[in-house]
Amino acid sequence: QSALTQPASVSGSLGQSITISCTGTTTDIGRYNYVSWYQQHAGQVPKLIIYEVTHRPSGISNRFSGSRSGNTASLTISGLQAEDEADYYCNAYTISDTYVFGTATKVTVL
Amino acid sequence: QVQLVESGGGVVQPGTSLRVSCAASGFTFSGYAMHWVRQAPGKGLEWLAIISYDEINKFYADSVKGRFTISRDNSKNTLYLEMNSLRPDDTAVYYCARRGSAPYSRSPGAFDLWGQGTMVIVSS
Repeated sequence: QSALTQPASVSGSLGQSITISCTGTTTDIGRYNYVSWYQQHAGQVPKLIIYEVTHRPSGISNRFSGSRSGNTASLTISGLQAEDEADYYCNAYTISDTYVFGTATKVTVL
Repeated sequence: QVQLVESGGGVVQPGTSLRVSCAASGFTFSGYAMHWVRQAPGKGLEWLAIISYDEINKFYADSVKGRFTISRDNSKNTLYLEMNSLRPDDTAVYYCARRGSAPYSRSPGAFDLWGQGTMVIVSS
């Protein structure tokens, strides 16, 4: 199972919106609603921010939103803040009953 | 307090074996499927394995199938990962994570609770 494809880096200014893409195949993202996103600050443990494509866990800011079109899922961060600077990973459930992470996107706040 | 605490990491020689553990507390461990995920230094997250709440179902990433074995002891609220024939490219922080679907469910779900990780270094 190959890793899902994410852009290596995305940057934006304070207050702007950015979108991170996550491209898979018809056997994972395109097949199931089990796409999730994780935020990992340097030296810290990953944190769930989006599950089942569009849902936010309790306590996660509504500045984070998820969507999907075909085999590509997306994470949008609106009103970019300095604290959003981190690595972001998508994850998807696959047809083989396994899971696969994306290649990671480093978000830089300018 | 709901938490996962990994242990058992260390420095081992190539070709040897190691078992890492994950102690759960603050929730009904026996009701949740559990994952292992690793992260090599400076690299991304790699999913390794999942075990169902009742240990009936186990699935592995191709990269570790046949070398790693996931297991659990619900009486001890503990998850394990037995790693054999270790290679230098197995060097990573190993995290356990809870699958966040409903308890006693076989539905897929996100990784909603993570431990702090345990470092495994494979080096001669």
